Amino acid sequence: KAGVTQTPRYLIKTRGQQVTLSCSPISGHRSVSWYQQTPGQGLQFLFEYFSETQRNKGNFPGRFSGRQFSNSRSEMNVSTLELGDSALYLCASSLGQGGNSPLHFGNGTRLTVT
Amino acid sequence: AQTVTQSQPEMSVQEAETVTLSCTYDTSESDYYLFWYKQPPSRQMILVIRQEAYKQQNATENRFSVNFQKAAKSFSLKISDSQLGDAAMYFCAYRGDQGAQKLVFGQGTRLTINP
Repeated sequence: KAGVTQTPRYLIKTRGQQVTLSCSPISGHRSVSWYQQTPGQGLQFLFEYFSETQRNKGNFPGRFSGRQFSNSRSEMNVSTLELGDSALYLCASSLGQGGNSPLHFGNGTRLTVT
Repeated sequence: AQTVTQSQPEMSVQEAETVTLSCTYDTSESDYYLFWYKQPPSRQMILVIRQEAYKQQNATENRFSVNFQKAAKSFSLKISDSQLGDAAMYFCAYRGDQGAQKLVFGQGTRLTINP
């Protein structure tokens, strides 16, 4: 069974632009969540989706948004990019929403904002 | 809000030896889950071991085991017979039992294995 797939792996954007990252969960997984990883702030929760509905959101500005499609694939969008948005963005999927459902992570998308 | 603290930014161990990584957390919840994830240079977060707070028995997975002290809010990871492939960043993580996928991570411990 294929794991969580994130595309692209690397991305370079200019300040002020917008970017869309994609995540395909493990087949059968309906829950997808996103995390931002930076050297200074570590790993921080962005948001999670289940059955196309956003269930939880982290403490990030409105420039960060996401969505989930009927096939459980998810995208996250960052508008008006800032230098501080440079980070590794990780997507994780799980079979359900319960605490007993382990998260499976992808390899991440490395975003560099110049 | 829940917090997770890993007080050891870096650790090193000789191959075949045993090493223990420390983690403490703070929460007011009674039911929750604790995890150790490994992140090698490939960047993928790999689940190493999981502990349910309601279980008193410490979780074990082959060479990996935990020492879960609920009252002390401590959750350490012991790696026995360390192998070169164990070299990675290790993150301790907390997850509540409210039906959410939100993980709260510690800052990580970089583990080096010396041959």
